[in-house]
Amino acid sequence: AQSVTQPDIHITVSEGASLELRCNYSYGATPYLFWYVQSPGQGLQLLLKYFSGDTLVQGIKGFEAEFKRSQSSFNLRKPSVHWSDAAEYFCAVGADYGQNFVFGPGTRLSVLP
Amino acid sequence: ETGVTQTPRHLVMGMTNKKSLKCEQHLGHNAMYWYKQSAKKPLELMFVYSLEERVENNSVPSRFSPECPNSSHLFLHLHTLQPEDSALYLCASSQSRDRSYEQYFGPGTRLTVT
Repeated sequence: AQSVTQPDIHITVSEGASLELRCNYSYGATPYLFWYVQSPGQGLQLLLKYFSGDTLVQGIKGFEAEFKRSQSSFNLRKPSVHWSDAAEYFCAVGADYGQNFVFGPGTRLSVLP
Repeated sequence: ETGVTQTPRHLVMGMTNKKSLKCEQHLGHNAMYWYKQSAKKPLELMFVYSLEERVENNSVPSRFSPECPNSSHLFLHLHTLQPEDSALYLCASSQSRDRSYEQYFGPGTRLTVT
């Protein structure tokens, strides 16, 4: 069965600094991978997704993620963080048909002014 | 309205009340989901509907009762809840249950059980 880990529970960065959020997955075949963001009291919004092809995918709000098969990772990056990026970030792996999405536990991002 | 909507956004109910949460998707999707999100716990999948049929019930207590009258609407009926049921309840939809299709989430209903 597939699984997702996000090693960092909470990360704090200064506004303008670069950001990398880690995601590791376990899945036997080529995974379908997603990053979502959740602002306080809101639902989850899709940032980006990887299906196949170019291993560097671009998303909304200036985010990108890189798929590394050898490391079973799909890390999320942003070159310059804005105060509005403070939120919870979830990595997810798409399941086989008939199975369910698996979400990671989330990483909370705080941004210092 | 666009996307996935949920009503009410906030709900306070006593342990003996009966209430319902409503979810509506305007995306033409065929699968709908209920999730529970509690503080400091991972997202918990509660129910999955595909083409209006319940395909999964993840050992959810019977005090939670889902209903999917058509592909656009999903309800979660609540009765005799416990304080530990206080959480954010999220509805989501996807084009199908195939793994290539991302889920779209509503804003959630913040439930407080007193």
